[in-house]
Amino acid sequence: EDKVVQSPLSLVVHEGDTVTLNCSYEVTNFRSLLWYKQEKKAPTFLFMLTSSGIEKKSGRLSSILDKKELFSILNITATQTGDSAVYLCAPTSGTYKYIFGTGTRLKVLA
Amino acid sequence: SAVISQKPSRDICQRGTSLTIQCQVDSQVTMMFWYRQQPGQSLTLIATANQGSEATYESGFVIDKFPISRPNLTFSTLTVSNMSPEDSSIYLCSVGTDNEKLFFGSGTQLSVL
Repeated sequence: EDKVVQSPLSLVVHEGDTVTLNCSYEVTNFRSLLWYKQEKKAPTFLFMLTSSGIEKKSGRLSSILDKKELFSILNITATQTGDSAVYLCAPTSGTYKYIFGTGTRLKVLA
Repeated sequence: SAVISQKPSRDICQRGTSLTIQCQVDSQVTMMFWYRQQPGQSLTLIATANQGSEATYESGFVIDKFPISRPNLTFSTLTVSNMSPEDSSIYLCSVGTDNEKLFFGSGTQLSVL
């Protein structure tokens, strides 16, 4: 059975801290892995990862995929209160068949 | 990426009634999906909305409970029928790009009393 495990479940940090969020997966027919930020209702797209070892970066956020060890990490440096959200990862188990994790709830304190 | 509008944004409904959620995209898209997020849970795919034909439902979801329409490449509706409190969730419309990225609409927060 396909599964996705995100850790930690929740995290509280102070502004300026660096955080690392983990996503491990076991899925058949893996094609890619997506990361999202969910602040209220709608998840906002962050990254799509398809190849191992290639880091994707967007400002203070970066992510990398390890297809051999079946995990991905999302790093956020110099955190800000606006980074407070639930972060979701979703590997595919086929074309457009994304399996969403339950997310990591990040709270950044001023 | 496409702009995806959903309405209503939220609603409070009585059990036994039905609610139709609309999803409008500002450009033509081939792949359109409906997701549900129950409280404290992750996103679960309800169905793929197929233009001009019946939707493709995932295991555990049936057309009688969640009828979907997709009359053209920019619009879809999801109806939650004969609602019960267990249907209280966030419902999300999403579109898939040619390179298999998924983008989500603004979401509908449904509470059933």
